[in-house]
Amino acid sequence: NAGVTQTPKFRVLKTGQSMTLLCAQDMNHEYMYWYRQDPGMGLRLIHYSVGEGTTAKGEVPDGYNVSRLKKQNFLLGLESAAPSQTSVYFCASSYSGWDTQYFGPGTRLTVL
Amino acid sequence: AQKVTQAQTEISVVEKEDVTLDCVYETRDTTYYLFWYKQPPSGELVFLIRRNSFDEQNEISGRYSWNFQKSTSSFNFTITASQVVDSAVYFCALSPDSNSGYALNFGKGTSLLVTP
Repeated sequence: NAGVTQTPKFRVLKTGQSMTLLCAQDMNHEYMYWYRQDPGMGLRLIHYSVGEGTTAKGEVPDGYNVSRLKKQNFLLGLESAAPSQTSVYFCASSYSGWDTQYFGPGTRLTVL
Repeated sequence: AQKVTQAQTEISVVEKEDVTLDCVYETRDTTYYLFWYKQPPSGELVFLIRRNSFDEQNEISGRYSWNFQKSTSSFNFTITASQVVDSAVYFCALSPDSNSGYALNFGKGTSLLVTP
C-alpha cells in the first residue's frame, strides 16, 4: 500500500515548456486535489476532482489543466510554463469530502 | 468565506520547553472539520489530527495535545517537553470549503525550531 505517490520528485523547465505531473493513489479514494505551496503562502488549491471523469477549478487554476481519466490517477498539466509557476506541488486524496486528506511527497518544480 | 489564521510565523524554543501553536479560524458553516499537519524539513505533509465541530473535547496524544474552543474559534496545538525532532512547519487547516470539493483551507503555517 503506497498511499499517494507523485512523479516526478524534481523538475527544471525553461519558460514556455510543457510538462505533466502524475499523482497516483491506491486507497480507492474518490476525491483528489492539487495544491501548490509557496514560501509564506501556505497551500493553495489549484484544481480538484470529486470522482473519475470530473474536474473543477480551485483558487489558483490559471496556467494549469487537469484530467482524471482513471479513479486512481490525477494529472496536472502545464501547457506553457512560466517562472511564476515555480513552486512545490502537492497532490492529496480522500475517501469523501469529509474525510482526512492524505498527501503525496510533493514535486519541486523550477521554471527558468 | 473560510479563513485560517496562524499569527505566529516562527517560534524558537529550547528542548524540553512546552510550546503552543495558535490557530484561529473563520467559517459560516455549522459543521466543519479542523486539522493539523506537520511538515518536517524533508518536505512531506504528515497528518496529525482531525476534529469535527461538534466535539469540543480536548485531545492528547503522547506529548501532543489540542485545545478546541468554538467560543473563540480557536484550535490550538501544544507540544509538551519539546524535542529537536519536533522542528518543522505546522499547518492548521479548515474543511469543508463546499465550493471547492471540500478542499482544505490552510493557514500560512508556523515554523517551529527546537534547539538542544
